[in-house]
Amino acid sequence: DAGVTQSPTHLIKTRGQQVTLRCSPKSGHDTVSWYQQALGQGPQFIFQYYEEEERQRGNFPDRFSGHQFPNYSSELNVNALLLGDSALYLCASSPGSNQPQHFGDGTRLSIL
Amino acid sequence: EDQVTQSPEALRLQEGESSSLNCSYTVSGLRGLFWYRQDPGKGPEFLFTLYSAGEEKEKERLKATLTKKESFLHITAPKPEDSATYLCAVRTSGNTPLVFGKGTRLSVIA
Repeated sequence: DAGVTQSPTHLIKTRGQQVTLRCSPKSGHDTVSWYQQALGQGPQFIFQYYEEEERQRGNFPDRFSGHQFPNYSSELNVNALLLGDSALYLCASSPGSNQPQHFGDGTRLSIL
Repeated sequence: EDQVTQSPEALRLQEGESSSLNCSYTVSGLRGLFWYRQDPGKGPEFLFTLYSAGEEKEKERLKATLTKKESFLHITAPKPEDSATYLCAVRTSGNTPLVFGKGTRLSVIA
């Protein structure tokens, strides 16, 4: 049974570009959340998708947007990249309310 | 604002030297406290969920406990393979997002 898978594993972009990160949730999970983890910090919540809609959002600007597809997979899009967007982006999935979230290994995004 | 504070930031142990990691939290209403292990370059790996004060969970050399203000992760006779960052997170209602602490970096030396 595959866990949460994310692609790509690493990405290098320059300031001002845009990027799309992808996530496939664990089988049987319908809720997907995205987190940003800076070096030496805990993950910070970006947003959560359920039934193809954004249900909750953390304190991130509108440059961060997402999408969930009918098969529950999800994308995170970031526009107008800034140096400060360099981080590990984690996707987590869960089977419903108040269940533990299971994480993928993330996408390491570096902005030059 | 919900807050999670983990201590110490880093801990170095000799193999077999037992110790505890602390996670203190300030939330409006706890609906779950979660412990994760994170290896370098990897995503967090789920360890335990605790829901109410007095609850305990165990897995191999790890034991997690919960009070009304904090949680402890006890590590008994650790081995070098227990070296990792241990993250604590809380959820305050339903399917709300997890609020994480900064983690404790554990190094176990043979």
